[in-house]
Amino acid sequence: DTEVTQTPKHLVMGMTNKKSLKCEQHMGHRAMYWYKQKAKKPPELMFVYSYEKLSINESVPSRFSPECPNSSLLNLHLHALQPEDSALYLCASSQAPPGYSNQPQHFGDGTRLSIL
Amino acid sequence: KQEVTQIPAALSVPEGENLVLNCSFTDSAIYNLQWFRQDPGKGLTSLLLIQSSQREQTSGRLNASLDKSSGRSTLYIAASQPGDSATYLCAVRAAVRRGSTLGRLYFGRGTQLTVWP
Repeated sequence: DTEVTQTPKHLVMGMTNKKSLKCEQHMGHRAMYWYKQKAKKPPELMFVYSYEKLSINESVPSRFSPECPNSSLLNLHLHALQPEDSALYLCASSQAPPGYSNQPQHFGDGTRLSIL
Repeated sequence: KQEVTQIPAALSVPEGENLVLNCSFTDSAIYNLQWFRQDPGKGLTSLLLIQSSQREQTSGRLNASLDKSSGRSTLYIAASQPGDSATYLCAVRAAVRRGSTLGRLYFGRGTQLTVWP
């Protein structure tokens, strides 16, 4: 059983829809991550939050909008997506610095997103 | 920039064989290295984590080694079983930028393993 919970597991949406992906963890981790994974490719880092502040944005298009409302919750708001955005979206968490850089990342099971 | 390479890209073996999966990385300034398993359409399951100061870790039939100075890790799977069929991903954890203590993972492209009965 994963300690990082992602909802929904599957999402189908049109290009004009607005939807959100949710990620939750109760391990006390203060670093949280969003990854995008296309079929047969490794996960690609999108965003990193540390202590609820955005630390990294890997040049992600603005149609993806992350939000970290508290230390346990991470959202990814979606608007006006393109068919090429169809992928598995993975959330992960880990201890945050200082002094925790050697800790593992824990992954959720992901949300399978399909854009029509 | 850190680059992680995994060899082979795919491997198909009969049940019972002992396997070696290889991972190499270009920058030895890492915090740790993780091996993950991913089943089709699923998330990542952490198998083993080796700290930068360690040489190897073992869990059941799995053994992972790390040679940080040469930028290499191997995952050894003993007595393979059909249930081991999955994609195995190697990832190194390193600083997001020089001088930062915030870490991020750099992934290899994975080894797709098929073990047939």
